[in-house]
Amino acid sequence: AAGVIQSPRHLIKEKRETATLKCYPIPRHDTVYWYQQGPGQDPQFLISFYEKMQSDKGSIPDRFSAQQFSDYHSELNMSSLELGDSALYFCASSIGQLLTGELFFGEGSRLTVL
Amino acid sequence: AQSVTQPDIHITVSEGASLELRCNYSYGATPYLFWYVQSPGQGLQLLLKYFSGDTLVQGIKGFEAEFKRSQSSFNLRKPSVHWSDAAEYFCAVGGPMEYGNKLVFGAGTILRVKS
Repeated sequence: AAGVIQSPRHLIKEKRETATLKCYPIPRHDTVYWYQQGPGQDPQFLISFYEKMQSDKGSIPDRFSAQQFSDYHSELNMSSLELGDSALYFCASSIGQLLTGELFFGEGSRLTVL
Repeated sequence: AQSVTQPDIHITVSEGASLELRCNYSYGATPYLFWYVQSPGQGLQLLLKYFSGDTLVQGIKGFEAEFKRSQSSFNLRKPSVHWSDAAEYFCAVGGPMEYGNKLVFGAGTILRVKS
């Protein structure tokens, strides 16, 4: 069965550079969530989208932005990267919002900022 | 604000022994409850979930969890642990829309299995 696809799987950037992570949800899933998991930490919610509109916002820095496109894929844009942005970034998708569905997670994009 | 507590950071059990991982939550209403497992460098895999109904839920890989409203708990159990169960386990809660459309994770419990 198709799963959530994230790209790239690994990314290395220098401080102050920008990075873009992409997430392709499971077909027919209309909700996308972004989570950040620092080393040895639990996943922290960043932002979510439902039907291409921002649905909820968590601890996402102002340097980060995200959007969901007409084909339901989502991109997380990160600018002015800092060392502390090094983390595993997970995307998850669901049918509808959490009230009715469960989240399916991708394998994550590992960002390393040097 | 809603929160999830997993009091045990590490747990070590012998292969074949039983396992219980604890999870307590703080929430204004009965939340939706989940257990995820994460192997090193891997994504999060759903083990089981509770939305409503029977408070004892069965999941994959022989895991089960029991929702106890009076204790605000959702502990994960397995009667006989296998070496392949060594991983990190996250309890998570989500809820009605007024609490936001997201999952809140606990800090995780790292399970080590000794032979």
